[in-house]
Amino acid sequence: QKEVEQNSGPLSVPEGAIASLNCTYSDRGSQSFFWYRQYSGKSPELIMSIYSNGDKEDGRFTAQLNKASQYVSLLIRDSQPSDSATYLCAVTGGTSYGKLTFGQGTILTVHP
Amino acid sequence: DAGVTQSPTHLIKTRGQQVTLRCSPKSGHDTVSWYQQALGQGPQFIFQYYEEEERQRGNFPDRFSGHQFPNYSSELNVNALLLGDSALYLCASSSRLAGSTDTQYFGPGTRLTVL
Repeated sequence: QKEVEQNSGPLSVPEGAIASLNCTYSDRGSQSFFWYRQYSGKSPELIMSIYSNGDKEDGRFTAQLNKASQYVSLLIRDSQPSDSATYLCAVTGGTSYGKLTFGQGTILTVHP
Repeated sequence: DAGVTQSPTHLIKTRGQQVTLRCSPKSGHDTVSWYQQALGQGPQFIFQYYEEEERQRGNFPDRFSGHQFPNYSSELNVNALLLGDSALYLCASSSRLAGSTDTQYFGPGTRLTVL
């Protein structure tokens, strides 16, 4: 089992729709959870961080964390073509304190 | 406020050569981590430096080594390059100061091609 797994893509949604990206992790001691966005040929850009169970909203982005289910998700409301990118889920803490462990990424395409 | 900077942007080397990549962390950060990202994959942790010492290391061979300087900047050295070392090398900075989170911010990366 991979340490961090993301839903297989690519994911294609129409402009204005909600995009849902999912991630599961194996280390129950994980404490910090991050979503990074990576445009083609660029480096990862932090868009959300979440540390406690529940929802965290920032503009059109909502991160959801459920530690009991070892599950973290990212919702993008009113998706725009500019949201088209690879989204990377990353976790740290527990046995991997200080280092980010990434999923393989989910490619999101928002079509007009 | 300058973000994380890396140099060079691109690099082409041949098998067996050695390479040095450089990173300057974000202002106020004292910790530098290095990652390797192969095409189509998520970044893989190489190692982390804090107070000029390697604090953690991922599953990479000894050909990969690093250094951190008193001004918190860092170098990644790779010896005896292999074709499989071709990747995007990412530097991330963070702060271990009390009360800070372990949030890591990435630089633009160095694209290494080994021929």
